[in-house]
Amino acid sequence: DTEVTQTPKHLVMGMTNKKSLKCEQHMGHRAMYWYKQKAKKPPELMFVYSYEKLSINESVPSRFSPECPNSSLLNLHLHALQPEDSALYLCASSQDEGYSNIQYFGAGTRLSVL
Amino acid sequence: QKEVEQNSGPLSVPEGAIASLNCTYSDRVSQSFFWYRQYSGKSPELIMSIYSNGDKEDGRFTAQLNKASQYVSLLIRDSQPSDSATYLCAVGASNTGKLIFGQGTTLQVKP
Repeated sequence: DTEVTQTPKHLVMGMTNKKSLKCEQHMGHRAMYWYKQKAKKPPELMFVYSYEKLSINESVPSRFSPECPNSSLLNLHLHALQPEDSALYLCASSQDEGYSNIQYFGAGTRLSVL
Repeated sequence: QKEVEQNSGPLSVPEGAIASLNCTYSDRVSQSFFWYRQYSGKSPELIMSIYSNGDKEDGRFTAQLNKASQYVSLLIRDSQPSDSATYLCAVGASNTGKLIFGQGTTLQVKP
């Protein structure tokens, strides 16, 4: 089983709202990732967690706040977003952060910021 | 800057033909290479991973890697309309767990 589960599937929020995206995997993977993908572009890495610690932050604005409560769960907290933040947000996981490890993607959350 | 290059397409092939998708990368010490398929509005799905020079076959899919030429390709035999999607080439960055994605090639298989 290579399932990464993301909720919600769709989210519409105003620029003053606070919302959270959730990602869960039960494969025993120790690395988890958040990506942002705009239409007709490849996924763009935002954050990497390795063994529940933030390993990489790709200079993401502070209105995006990641959290890794345990090894199976990854959250992305959203606050004061801009319309240009509308995109598909993808979570992925891999065995660990080594470069040979395959990343498995969840179905994504389609976010619209009004 | 480490780069992965793909022809954006669209690449159009008739049903039953072989589709050939190509990718070049700039980081000479890269060791891991991946092909993901992404249907419109969906998330990327792993098709193949390859780590050593040569060919790796899985069903109708064959990945080919040539590290000397910094080139990786994906062949799809007996192409089906259901293969119509964007194919993303991804290369593992040599010093981190990051994946460097190409821009993707759109494949259209016409019945």
